[in-house]
Amino acid sequence: SQQGEEDPQALSIQEGENATMNCSYKTSINNLQWYRQNSGRGLVHLILIRSNEREKHSGRLRVTLDTSKKSSSLLITASRAADTASYFCATARGGIYNQGGKLIFGQGTELSVKP
Amino acid sequence: DAGVIQSPRHEVTEMGQEVTLRCKPISGHNSLFWYRQTMMRGLELLIYFNNNVPIDDSGMPEDRFSAKMPNASFSTLKIQPSEPRDSAVYFCASSPREQGNQPQHFGDGTRLSIL
Repeated sequence: SQQGEEDPQALSIQEGENATMNCSYKTSINNLQWYRQNSGRGLVHLILIRSNEREKHSGRLRVTLDTSKKSSSLLITASRAADTASYFCATARGGIYNQGGKLIFGQGTELSVKP
Repeated sequence: DAGVIQSPRHEVTEMGQEVTLRCKPISGHNSLFWYRQTMMRGLELLIYFNNNVPIDDSGMPEDRFSAKMPNASFSTLKIQPSEPRDSAVYFCASSPREQGNQPQHFGDGTRLSIL
């Protein structure tokens, strides 16, 4: 079954609020990545967290990784209307399963930030 | 630097016709990925190349699909003959290194409609 699964599937918030999206996966990983997709565009890489890291920040983004629970969360603080997009987590498997760069994407969370 | 360039951006054709999608990866990137995105199935990896060599084509739906990478700066995905169920957005992505420790850079996709 799917390696990465996000929840919620859709999230609607007001500008200025925080948005939290979760991702669960099933197998051991080398790293986990988050991507954003604006309507009609390709995916854009946001942040990569390695399996030996627990938390990472980039601007208004905060990502956590719990390998014991096989889960990750993406927090967007002080959201803006421009953050409206779909957000995907993607996992790269580790060790002998690394398969040279292959990522498995989840189904995504559709975030709507209302002005 | 230019990003990943895909052409055409939109393609509408009748079933049975041959369709060729093109991709120019970012210069210096040696991994290239072809994805298909639909509402029902999400983002699916079709095939990927490392150093112009196909590594994993297990995601290619059937023999009607083929992909080539004749050199480091060009790849094609061909569907022959096309069917209405092939309608989707097809993305090409590249990354600078193998092993899945680098983010993937996506083009803006080709929106394919088979009538």
